[in-house]
Parts: sequence; C-alpha cells; structure tokens
Amino acid sequence: AQSVSQHNHHVILSEAASLELGCNYSYGGTVNLFWYVQYPGQHLQLLLKYFSGDPLVKGIKGFEAEFIKSKFSFNLRKPSVQWSDTAEYFCAVNAEGRRDDKIIFGKGTRLHILP
Amino acid sequence: GAVVSQHPSWVICKSGTSVKIECRSLDFQATTMFWYRQFPKQSLMLMATSNEGSKATYEQGVEKDKFLINHASLTLSTLTVTSAHPEDSSFYICSARDLASVYNEQFFGPGTRLTVL
Repeated sequence: AQSVSQHNHHVILSEAASLELGCNYSYGGTVNLFWYVQYPGQHLQLLLKYFSGDPLVKGIKGFEAEFIKSKFSFNLRKPSVQWSDTAEYFCAVNAEGRRDDKIIFGKGTRLHILP
Repeated sequence: GAVVSQHPSWVICKSGTSVKIECRSLDFQATTMFWYRQFPKQSLMLMATSNEGSKATYEQGVEKDKFLINHASLTLSTLTVTSAHPEDSSFYICSARDLASVYNEQFFGPGTRLTVL
C-alpha cells in the first residue's frame, strides 16, 4: 500500500525567506502527486498536482513542486514566503491505475510565517 | 470548475442521536466519493470509499455499522453517524472523483464539523 511521509511537522520562517517542505512517498508503480493547503479555519485547497509530463509543477500563489522519481520525492517550494502563507500543508499520493483510486495524505506540515 | 458541497457545514447533536451528512458533486458526475475524517491539528484519515449503486468499502478500523454510507446517485453520497458519542466529534470531509476528468481528479468538499455533546 502506498504511504506518504512529510519530514517537517512544524516550520517557522520569517517573511521573504525561501521555503522547501519535504515529501516522500512509497509505492512501486505510477503515482499522481498533490499538495494541498488548509488555511486556519478553512477547508482543503489544491495547491498543485502532478500527473505526468514536466516533473517541475507550478501551482497557485507562487508555489512549485518537483517530482524526482528516483528519490520518490515531491518537495514543495516557494522562493519568498508571505505572512498569508501561514497554514497547514499536506502532501498526498494516489496510485494511478488502481481501481480504488484512494488519495493518501501525509501527516501535514504546519507552516508559521513571522511578519 | 468542479465543485463539491457538503451539508450541513456544522452540526451539534446530543449523544446517542444520529447525524446525516450529505456530499454533492454540483457540476459533474461521480461514481466514486470518499469520506475522510480530520481530528484537530491532524491529517485527513480516509474512512471509506463510496461507490454509486454498491456497498461502500471501509478502511481498516472504521466501523461500518457506526458510519453508514449511501451513494444513491451519481451526484450524492451520504454519511450517517449512528448513535453518536463525543469521541465522534470531528471534521468530516468528502471528495468526489470526476468521471470526465482525464486523470480522474478528485475534488474536496468544504467539510462538516460535528460536535457531539
């Protein structure tokens, strides 16, 4: 069964700092990969997704992620964070081609941006 | 874009009562919907996969008699928490898989916050 590991549980940065959140997955086959964000008191929103093609994926709000197949990784990056990026970030994986098509979430990374 | 709604957005009930939560795909058809549970400051935990016209598939450790799922149409799935207790208080989120999407994308609802007194 597939699983997702997020290395950082809680990250604190100052505004304008660069961000990289780690995500590794375990699954031997083809996967679809996602990053979701949950702002305080709000519902889950899709930041970006990778299905195929260019492994460098650009999402909303200046976020991007790079799929490195050899490392089973899909790290999220942003060159300069803003206070409004304070939120919880979830990496998720979906095993492509499986009938059940479940999306499995990592435990999340709580990002706190200091003004 | 594809929109998934949930109703109600929040509900408070007494211990021992049952609560029904609806998940609707508003502008697309979904043969498969998924139900998640999220405890405060934790990740989403998949509870079950809801298939239109057939029985739901529950994840290990989830009581099927406690969490009844019905997927009666291509746009509606319901989750009923039966005989709710305070430990069932949580944030319940559904997602729906868009049949027409090339990659069978899933779209998430806004969630339902359940508080059992």
